[in-house]
Amino acid sequence: GAVVSQHPSWVICKSGTSVKIECRSLDFQATTMFWYRQFPKQSLMLMATSNEGSKATYEQGVEKDKFLINHASLTLSTLTVTSAHPEDSSFYICSAIVGTYEQYFGPGTRLTVT
Amino acid sequence: GENVEQHPSTLSVQEGDSAVIKCTYSDSASNYFPWYKQELGKRPQLIIDIRSNVGEKKDQRIAVTLNKTAKHFSLHITETQPEDSAVYFCAASGAAGNKLTFGGGTRVLVKP
Repeated sequence: GAVVSQHPSWVICKSGTSVKIECRSLDFQATTMFWYRQFPKQSLMLMATSNEGSKATYEQGVEKDKFLINHASLTLSTLTVTSAHPEDSSFYICSAIVGTYEQYFGPGTRLTVT
Repeated sequence: GENVEQHPSTLSVQEGDSAVIKCTYSDSASNYFPWYKQELGKRPQLIIDIRSNVGEKKDQRIAVTLNKTAKHFSLHITETQPEDSAVYFCAASGAAGNKLTFGGGTRVLVKP
C-alpha cells in the first residue's frame, strides 16, 4: 500500500531557531501533499497545500513566511518552521493524495520549542 | 469554506455493543467523505470512505451512511472491541485531489 514517511519523528529546538521537516512518498509519486498541525486533543488543522513545482497554497491565518514549504520533487515536500517559538510546539503531519481522492498520512513530527 | 461538525466528542461503549458517530457538512459541493482512526501519538489511518454517488458502504464491522439531502454522514461500528478504542475523525472534500476539512473528532472508549 501507499506509504508516506516523515523525518524526523520528533525534534526539540531552542526558541528562535529553524526546523525542517521532510515528508516523502515512498512508493508513489505525489503531485500534491498537505501539511497539517494538530495540538493535543484537537483535530487536524490544514496549514497548506503543497504542489510539486509551484508555490504552496496557505490556509487563512497561516503565516507563509514563517512556515516555508518546498515541494521540489514528486516524492518530497519539506516544511521549515522559521524562528520557532514555544507556541509553535505541536504535532505536524503531512499527507499525500493516492489515486483520485484517498489521502494517506505520514507518521507525524512532534516539535517541541524550548 | 467547508465546515464539518462531529458528534459526540466522546463515546463510551461496552465491548460488543455498537458505536455511532455523526457528522454534518455545510458545502453541498462536497462529494468525498472519509473516516480516519487515530491512536495516541500516531498517524490518522483511513478506515472507510464514501463518495456522494453512494448512500451506504460497509467493510466488515464498519459501515458509513451518507444523506446528501440533509448533508450528514455517519460511521457505524458493530460488535465493538477494545482495540477499537481511539479517536475517530470524519472529513469532507469537494473535489478530486482537493483538501480535506476535518470534524472535531470523537474519542471512543470500548470497555471490556
